[in-house]
Amino acid sequence: QKEVEQDPGPLSVPEGAIVSLNCTYSNSAFQYFMWYRQYSRKGPELLMYTYSSGNKEDGRFTAQVDKSSKYISLFIRDSQPSDSATYLCAMSGAPYNFNKFYFGSGTKLNVKP
Amino acid sequence: NAGVTQTPKFQVLKTGQSMTLQCAQDMNHEYMSWYRQDPGMGLRLIHYSVGAGITDQGEVPNGYNVSRSTTEDFPLRLLSAAPSQTSVYFCASSQDSAYGYTFGSGTRLTVV
Repeated sequence: QKEVEQDPGPLSVPEGAIVSLNCTYSNSAFQYFMWYRQYSRKGPELLMYTYSSGNKEDGRFTAQVDKSSKYISLFIRDSQPSDSATYLCAMSGAPYNFNKFYFGSGTKLNVKP
Repeated sequence: NAGVTQTPKFQVLKTGQSMTLQCAQDMNHEYMSWYRQDPGMGLRLIHYSVGAGITDQGEVPNGYNVSRSTTEDFPLRLLSAAPSQTSVYFCASSQDSAYGYTFGSGTRLTVV
């Protein structure tokens, strides 16, 4: 079983829709959770970072962590065609432990004008 | 601020050839790493370094070597290229791994 599971999509939505992207994980020790956005033929860029449970909001983006269910989500409000990209979740159980960061395989999102 | 710079952007190798993928960062980050990205597999850690002179293996280290003689540079060497090493390679750096990485733009490698 993979440490982190993520639906590969593709997910296709109309412009203006609310998008929900999700990851599940198996290791209850994970405490640090991140979302990266990757445009085609580019490197991933950090979008959101959260520690432990709860919500974090940044503009149109909200990251949510439910440690009891081992489930994290990224919500995108008022989605735009420029949001079309692959979104990767990543998580770790400890800081300063570089080799113990686990990535999901990514969900491809297409926002149609 | 250039961030993380990877060269070359594209490379085609023949089986058995060796080459070095270059990675340089100008943010004075202690942590640097190499990942490969394959369809459906996500990002897999090859090697990483927590500072100059210190390196360690990640999830898929076989066939690759690294060294870290300076804080800025972290080259990845393919010793004898195999078709299974066809992939997109990303270098990343971080001052504190808990707060996320800065990735380079990647090197697309094809081994024929």
